[in-house]
Amino acid sequence: DAGVIQSPRHEVTEMGQEVTLRCKPISGHNSLFWYRQTMMRGLELLIYFNNNVPIDDSGMPEDRFSAKMPNASFSTLKIQPSEPRDSAVYFCASSLSGSFTDTQYFGPGTRLTVL
Amino acid sequence: GNSVTQMEGPVTLSEEAFLTINCTYTATGYPSLFWYVQYPGEGLQLLLKATKADDKGSNKGFEATYRKETTSFHLEKGSVQVSDSAVYFCALKTGANSKLTFGKGITLSVRP
Repeated sequence: DAGVIQSPRHEVTEMGQEVTLRCKPISGHNSLFWYRQTMMRGLELLIYFNNNVPIDDSGMPEDRFSAKMPNASFSTLKIQPSEPRDSAVYFCASSLSGSFTDTQYFGPGTRLTVL
Repeated sequence: GNSVTQMEGPVTLSEEAFLTINCTYTATGYPSLFWYVQYPGEGLQLLLKATKADDKGSNKGFEATYRKETTSFHLEKGSVQVSDSAVYFCALKTGANSKLTFGKGITLSVRP
């Protein structure tokens, strides 16, 4: 089975540009999570969806960040405009929620560099 | 609220050494506990988990026991290998909420 798929794997952009990160969760999973990882702040949950509906977006840093999940097999995280401090590795994860011990499966991540 | 505290790192060991990585937690309700591992250049993957007090999770020679009385879930391995070099995250989850609370992670380096 394919795991969580993220694209692109690497993105280099200039400050002020729009960046869109993409995620395809594991087929059949109904929860999707976006995380950001940096050396300074570690692993941070940005937002998560259940059945395509955003449940908790309290980790989204500011209005420059937005996330959508138009259907069960696709999600995007958009940064507009991007800033150098947004440089990080962004992970998408999915799970089959509803059980007490549902496991999150992570994608390989997108390494974003904003110059 | 929920929180996870991991020991400060990094940790450097020689091959075949014994490993302990400490993890303690605070949680509302009765959490499920997890250890995730992140190998260089990859996403996190589940290493092991435990769902109730005194449960022991195990995988790839790693073990962790859910200790409710000390609110701990320490990770151990009797003999580490170079291939165990990675970042290790302790995490918890409560109730039907899918959200995981992660610790800061600790980097383990194993030298030949």
